[in-house]
Amino acid sequence: EIVLTQSPGTLSLSSGERATLSCRASQSVSSGYLAWYLQKPGQAPRLLIHGASSRATGIPDRFSGSGSGTDFTLTISRLEPEDFAVYYCQQYGSSPLTFGGGTKVEIK
Amino acid sequence: QVQLVQSGAEVKKPGASVKVSCEASGYTFTGYYMHWVRQAPGQGLEWMGWINTNSGGTHYAQKFQGRVTMTRDTSISTAYMELSSLRSDDTAVYYCARQQLLDYWGQGTLVTVSS
Repeated sequence: EIVLTQSPGTLSLSSGERATLSCRASQSVSSGYLAWYLQKPGQAPRLLIHGASSRATGIPDRFSGSGSGTDFTLTISRLEPEDFAVYYCQQYGSSPLTFGGGTKVEIK
Repeated sequence: QVQLVQSGAEVKKPGASVKVSCEASGYTFTGYYMHWVRQAPGQGLEWMGWINTNSGGTHYAQKFQGRVTMTRDTSISTAYMELSSLRSDDTAVYYCARQQLLDYWGQGTLVTVSS
């Protein structure tokens, strides 16, 4: 099973600032099958990025993903008020599918 | 537009079973696997398994083997997840989500296990 470790656990930032979230895998993620999700309280997760760097439909370009192998990054270039939430990475290249523990992006 | 609509909240006693439904619309139901993910209160996401909505084949996470059953009814574009021998730590929101990319999610179904 691939274990995903996200850091930091919490990121305290202000609107307009840049956010950098990390996701490290215990072994190489097959074919870059790494996704990022955003989850707001009381809502289902929403797909942001798939294939490590491809934005999902309707996702604004302030969200970008990068990385390969075992190290992946989600960058939000300029935080908007609606971006404060919990972010999860997930690998879907091998079974079982696994998720990271999440990074909470909170308002400073 | 793609929509996954799940059944309502459930309260169950320990040892009982629960069956959650997920009705799909806006796409060809049998063209995509359906996955199930759960989230305990205040916790992260946990993948439970998938069902091939075309053939009915299934694959479950080892943790749930023997307790979970995923089925589907193609005539009404609905997938089901049944979890048996419920325990208090099965209290969670259960989600269905389309394909391994999990590109569309249901709204979630809260299952509370309490005596």
